[in-house]
Amino acid sequence: GESVGLHLPTLSVQEGDNSIINCAYSNSASDYFIWYKQESGKGPQFIIDIRSNMDKRQGQRVTVLLNKTVKHLSLQIAATQPGDSAVYFCAEKNSWGKLQFGAGTQVVVTP
Amino acid sequence: DTEVTQTPKHLVMGMTNKKSLKCEQHMGHRAMYWYKQKAKKPPELMFVYSYEKLSINESVPSRFSPECPNSSLLNLHLHALQPEDSALYLCASSQGGLPKGLNTGELFFGEGSRLTVL
Repeated sequence: GESVGLHLPTLSVQEGDNSIINCAYSNSASDYFIWYKQESGKGPQFIIDIRSNMDKRQGQRVTVLLNKTVKHLSLQIAATQPGDSAVYFCAEKNSWGKLQFGAGTQVVVTP
Repeated sequence: DTEVTQTPKHLVMGMTNKKSLKCEQHMGHRAMYWYKQKAKKPPELMFVYSYEKLSINESVPSRFSPECPNSSLLNLHLHALQPEDSALYLCASSQGGLPKGLNTGELFFGEGSRLTVL
């Protein structure tokens, strides 16, 4: 079936460096994508979203890139901080409102 | 701080118990969701309520029974659960409601209810 997945299960980043988290999706009909951050013991927290009519969107220290040609989504975090340590999920939403999550990437920020 | 409130935060129950998880939002959102999350796994959709009606049931066993008393509240009634049902149960809401074609926007999640079934 259609699925959303991540390339790397764990990403170790030095504090101050930029992080890039990648995500592949296979449902070409998906038109809305979201990145969530989940800290230990907490619910997923919205980071940034992007619609399929865009290829880039920027937030505070974060940028999401969407490449529909290769069905690829990425999240870039600038100047990674210890508080960025968490699991990051990409998710796609279909027109029924069903949000399907990818497998998740654990980001570990080292001093 | 999340605007979706879930209670209780932790729940331990036996396989013969009946318990309920509660979720509340006051953002005027028209869709509410239950997700189940096992350790180190992504959340999995269980149920979706749109305009207080059950819109999606992802083939969830009948020992889980959702209820939406009004547009702000969502319950999940639990009965005769199994140890493998132990997980984090997440409630979420979104501004738009279903059906197909409506853009519901982002989902706002609560902090979850950690359920342990003995």
